[in-house]
Amino acid sequence: KAGVTQTPRYLIKTRGQQVTLSCSPISGHRSVSWYQQTPGQGLQFLFEYFSETQRNKGNFPGRFSGRQFSNSRSEMNVSTLELGDSALYLCASSSGDPANEKLFFGSGTQLSVL
Amino acid sequence: EDKVVQSPLSLVVHEGDTVTLNCSYEVTNFRSLLWYKQEKKAPTFLFMLTSSGIEKKSGRLSSILDKKELFSILNITATQTGDSAVYLCAVESNYQLIWGAGTKLIIKP
Repeated sequence: KAGVTQTPRYLIKTRGQQVTLSCSPISGHRSVSWYQQTPGQGLQFLFEYFSETQRNKGNFPGRFSGRQFSNSRSEMNVSTLELGDSALYLCASSSGDPANEKLFFGSGTQLSVL
Repeated sequence: EDKVVQSPLSLVVHEGDTVTLNCSYEVTNFRSLLWYKQEKKAPTFLFMLTSSGIEKKSGRLSSILDKKELFSILNITATQTGDSAVYLCAVESNYQLIWGAGTKLIIKP
């Protein structure tokens, strides 16, 4: 069974640009969660999608948005990039309840904003 | 505000030593506590704990939860260099996972 796939692995952008990250969950998993990880900060929850609907959302500004397609693949978009958006963005999939079952993480997209 | 605090933030030990990592929490609606290991980028699941006092074991790793004192510990015995990683603790509250900052563990040969 293929794992969670995130693309691209690395991105370099400049302030003000926008970026789209992609996540393909494990086959059969319908829940996809997105996290931002910065050194010393742990994982910060962005949002979670289940069956194409945003089911939960963290405390991030509206510049961060996402969507999920009918095949459960998910995309995350960040508009008007700021230097502080530089981070590792991880997505995780699960079959149903991401807070009550183990998550399977992708290897992340390392975003650098210059 | 819900929060999860892990200690120590970093730890360096020698191969063969035993280590104990701590995770304390203050959340409004506790449902479960989870431990993950992050070696490079993708965290991998270790344990999920929901009941107080019941130890979960997997090889040299074990974990226990104390819901009265609001903490969990992760023990690793006879450490190996492959145990070097960041260990993350997360607590489920209000259908969201709240994550600690992690403990960076370095095992010296």
